[in-house]
Amino acid sequence: QVQLVQSGAEVKKPGASVKVSCQASGYTFTDYYVHWVRQAPGQGLEWMGWLNPNNGDRKNAQKFQGRVTLTRDTSISTAYMELSMLKSDDTAVYFCARGSGTSASFNRPHDYWGQGTLVTVSS
Amino acid sequence: EIVLTQSPGTLSLSPGEGATLSCRASQSVSGNYLAWYQQKPGQAPRLLIYGASNRATGIPDRFSGSGSGTDFTLTISRLEPEDFAVYYCQHYDTTRPFGQGTKVEIK
Repeated sequence: QVQLVQSGAEVKKPGASVKVSCQASGYTFTDYYVHWVRQAPGQGLEWMGWLNPNNGDRKNAQKFQGRVTLTRDTSISTAYMELSMLKSDDTAVYFCARGSGTSASFNRPHDYWGQGTLVTVSS
Repeated sequence: EIVLTQSPGTLSLSPGEGATLSCRASQSVSGNYLAWYQQKPGQAPRLLIYGASNRATGIPDRFSGSGSGTDFTLTISRLEPEDFAVYYCQHYDTTRPFGQGTKVEIK
């Protein structure tokens, strides 16, 4: 069965960086886009960007330009989201989610999600 | 970039009642690439509807989606206890904005 398993909770100081991992199983990792979505406490969902694990292409939401880096390690079927220059309002649960097939139409929603990783930014 | 506005913010209903949730886009949604998700506390979102009106795998038929262009609706015909949750719409294109959510709570 398809699973996305994320790394554990993190506590970081303002100005630091955090790197969250998302390991895929149950399907061929390079066959599907990986997206990242975050949710601040008590707030809604915010899409951050996507990664094509097949060729490394990526796109970030404009809000996160220059602060988010999406990468992958295909040898271990894992995608990474690194967020730099952390601020207190980056405190949130970060989700990875599967998107469309990399050789199919891009326009497919998120059918599988990771369990979420809580990142707390506090001095 | 498209902005999605959901209404109402909160719906207070009783089990067995019907629910109508709205999602309005700031500009026409290309290809009807509009999805609805359900989220319960402490859980990841769950895909309910895609392509504005297609139920995802395993979703009960009491959930239905409709609409096109800029106005979309999620209808829950008879609320079951497990349906009380927060619902989000999303336009899934090169960028993927979400609406701010509608909470369906028990009256």
